Amino acid sequence: DTEVTQTPKHLVMGMTNKKSLKCEQHMGHRAMYWYKQKAKKPPELMFVYSYEKLSINESVPSRFSPECPNSSLLNLHLHALQPEDSALYLCASRQGLTNTEAFFGQGTRLTVV
Amino acid sequence: RKEVEQDPGPFNVPEGATVAFNCTYSNSASQSFFWYRQDCRKEPKLLMSVYSSGNEDGRFTAQLNRASQYISLLIRDSKLSDSATYLCVVNKAPNDMRFGAGTRLTVKP
Repeated sequence: DTEVTQTPKHLVMGMTNKKSLKCEQHMGHRAMYWYKQKAKKPPELMFVYSYEKLSINESVPSRFSPECPNSSLLNLHLHALQPEDSALYLCASRQGLTNTEAFFGQGTRLTVV
Repeated sequence: RKEVEQDPGPFNVPEGATVAFNCTYSNSASQSFFWYRQDCRKEPKLLMSVYSSGNEDGRFTAQLNRASQYISLLIRDSKLSDSATYLCVVNKAPNDMRFGAGTRLTVKP
């Protein structure tokens, strides 16, 4: 099983809503990532969890709140987003060793209205 | 200076052509390197890892030049199905994976 599963696939939310994105992997990977991708741009790193601890936060606004409840799950809690936060949110995982490939989920396409 | 620089293209080539992409990185301590492929509205998928000695997988060859801090991808005998965006990825520190801008390739009949 080399799958990273993200839910939901699509999400439309208002600026006052609270929602969560979920990511799950069962490959035993110990590093998990959130990326944000706008149209025709590369993925931009947001957060990295290593062994369930937040190791990188790329100065992401606090309206995005990551959570890693266990080694298989990664959440991204969203609150009071802006329309410019509309993007594809990609989750990735890797073993945690630097030379291994990362596997990506299909992403959640988020629209903030 | 960006951490990972990549010419965004676009590259428009005929079938059968050879095309090369380059990517430079700024952190000399970067440890591992990859090429990913991303199709429209899909997630990135690993094309190849890039090893110090260079590596080949069929029509694809990846090379790393640590002295000049760049990686390259060569695609020989391009197919229509190679049309995609090719993204270089650099591990500048443990678990810190950064993408280049991506190079859009269109292979035409």
